Amino acid sequence: EVQLVESGGGLVQPGGSLRLSCTASGFTFSNFWIHWVRQAPGKGLVWVSRINTDGSYTSYADSVKGRFTISRDNAKNTLYLQMNSLRAEDTAVYYCARVGDYDHPPDYWGQGTLVTVSS
Amino acid sequence: QSVLTQPPSASGTPGQRVTISCSGSSSNIGSNYVYWYQQLPGTAPKLLIYRNNQRPSGVPDRFSGSKSGTSASLAIGGLRSEDEADYYCAAWDDSLSGPVFGTGTKVTVL
Repeated sequence: EVQLVESGGGLVQPGGSLRLSCTASGFTFSNFWIHWVRQAPGKGLVWVSRINTDGSYTSYADSVKGRFTISRDNAKNTLYLQMNSLRAEDTAVYYCARVGDYDHPPDYWGQGTLVTVSS
Repeated sequence: QSVLTQPPSASGTPGQRVTISCSGSSSNIGSNYVYWYQQLPGTAPKLLIYRNNQRPSGVPDRFSGSKSGTSASLAIGGLRSEDEADYYCAAWDDSLSGPVFGTGTKVTVL
């Protein structure tokens, strides 16, 4: 069974940093592109970032470019999202999501982790 | 920042058929596959339809998808109480080089 489990969310002050993790199981992690997608409270889904199978290619939404960094450790079956210079508008549930086909939306999603940016 | 437009709500009585529309542009729906997700309250999105009209194993055939030009639609036949959820469409966007999602439609079973 494909499983993605996020962790690392919490309350952080504006300007602060947080690192999210996503641990995968049930599939060969190193064979799949992975994305981060976020959902602000009561709002819709918004793409944040993606990374290719070996970590050599990454891309970001304009709203987080220069502040967030996506990375992966295939030996640990784990994806990361380093978030710096956090803003109130970054408050959201962050999902990691697997992509079954290159340049397609995700197929499997984790349960999400809540990030709250507030003083 | 939703790029795909959906109606905010849809409703029906048990057994009825409900259809949800999803409107995009040439850079997303017009040139790429459409996916549909169901999100029950407090849970993660679950894939319902991929590649416009394909159902993953375990998804009832009451759910069906279609696409025409820069628009797509999801139909739920034989509506059931457990279908009450938010539904999102999605497609790859060539300009963004990432997936874009719909604004979401809340389905209510009356």
